Amino acid sequence: DAKTTQPPSMDCAEGRAANLPCNHSTISGNEYVYWYRQIHSQGPQYIIHGLKNNETNEMASLIITEDRKSSTLILPHATLRDTAVYYCIVRVLPPGAGSYQLTFGKGTKLSVIP
Amino acid sequence: DTEVTQTPKHLVMGMTNKKSLKCEQHMGHRAMYWYKQKAKKPPELMFVYSYEKLSINESVPSRFSPECPNSSLLNLHLHALQPEDSALYLCASSQGLQGFGEAFFGQGTRLTVV
Repeated sequence: DAKTTQPPSMDCAEGRAANLPCNHSTISGNEYVYWYRQIHSQGPQYIIHGLKNNETNEMASLIITEDRKSSTLILPHATLRDTAVYYCIVRVLPPGAGSYQLTFGKGTKLSVIP
Repeated sequence: DTEVTQTPKHLVMGMTNKKSLKCEQHMGHRAMYWYKQKAKKPPELMFVYSYEKLSINESVPSRFSPECPNSSLLNLHLHALQPEDSALYLCASSQGLQGFGEAFFGQGTRLTVV
């Protein structure tokens, strides 16, 4: 399985862009990068995913390097409600398994400061 | 309906009790997951069901017994648990191999074993 490495914590000023990095240097060519976040005491929430190209949706943008060994999640205008633990996950399909597997790493605790 | 519903929200049980956690989704997803999350730790995958068949068992002790009676329901039967099994138990679902849509998580059942 491709493993991910994220900084344990980050601060961001409210209204500024939050840039959350993730290293996944052992990722395989057909493995997707997914980002989830977990607000305190809630279930994880899907944010965005990508394979090679940069992606954008209403929540965030995902920038994947050309060699696919790292990516950055961008929250363009962070608000206090974005305070959460952000998980970068490489989704894998184990051999013989009938479904994908999401294995969470330690994540980055993002604190948005007023 | 993009919800995954877990019941109960909170459960306190003794070490000799038998209880069940329930999870329900009506999104037509064919993959369903159980995760366990201890405080300040990331979710850990326990089981994956694909098309109502157990696809992945992450070496979970037999005192945890999953069941998928139909494509919308997922149960986790608990018996003879230990205090260290106290945790947040999260259920999730995804389209599985028919599509790589994101996984949706429930809000979890907070289990306390006394």
